Amino acid sequence: DTGVSQDPRHKITKRGQNVTFRCDPISEHNRLYWYRQTLGQGPEFLTYFQNEAQLEKSRLLSDRFSAERPKGSFSTLEIQRTEQGDSAMYLCASSTTGTNERQYFGPGTRLTVT
Amino acid sequence: AQSVTQLDSQVPVFEEAPVELRCNYSSSVSVYLFWYVQYPNQGLQLLLKYLSGSTLVKGINGFEAEFNKSQTSFHLRKPSVHISDTAEYFCAVRNTNAGKSTFGDGTTLTVKP
Repeated sequence: DTGVSQDPRHKITKRGQNVTFRCDPISEHNRLYWYRQTLGQGPEFLTYFQNEAQLEKSRLLSDRFSAERPKGSFSTLEIQRTEQGDSAMYLCASSTTGTNERQYFGPGTRLTVT
Repeated sequence: AQSVTQLDSQVPVFEEAPVELRCNYSSSVSVYLFWYVQYPNQGLQLLLKYLSGSTLVKGINGFEAEFNKSQTSFHLRKPSVHISDTAEYFCAVRNTNAGKSTFGDGTTLTVKP
């Protein structure tokens, strides 16, 4: 069990640029979640996948955000035409689908939009 | 819809003193309840969880929490804190039939010598 990994850990970009983040879940986990955390707040749910199917998407996720999990393993989160309000920590978590599932969180990708 | 309210944004306490971090939740359906800890520049780490059964749950690092259904609360306690417990603590709920978790805004625990 190597844990959930995220890449990059930090990203600084200029407003209007596109960015893509990657999440590698724990290998046997078929559920993968994306959350966003801004300073002074708890994580907010963005979307989650079961295998390659995107099962739920938050209304927080505007049309500029898209997430994929093409082979049911790693996932990518892309933000197009970044805005300063997108600056946040983007957290990925994974879990199994058992009744007693718990989510394992990665270290996050900190995005700064200048 | 679900919501979580952490009643204290900051809790300062002296080393070896007891501490309670308060969490209330609102939900129209059955939920699972969680407490996470986040150290600076690190991801969230699960402290403990309530799924069913005994309302008093014990977690890592000497923490425990009690589920009170009538008061819709899930307060976190530790009888004697250490400097190393200084961190951000998050309470979270999850619908038993859904995947996503709803988090509170966090409580910053600062343990002073």
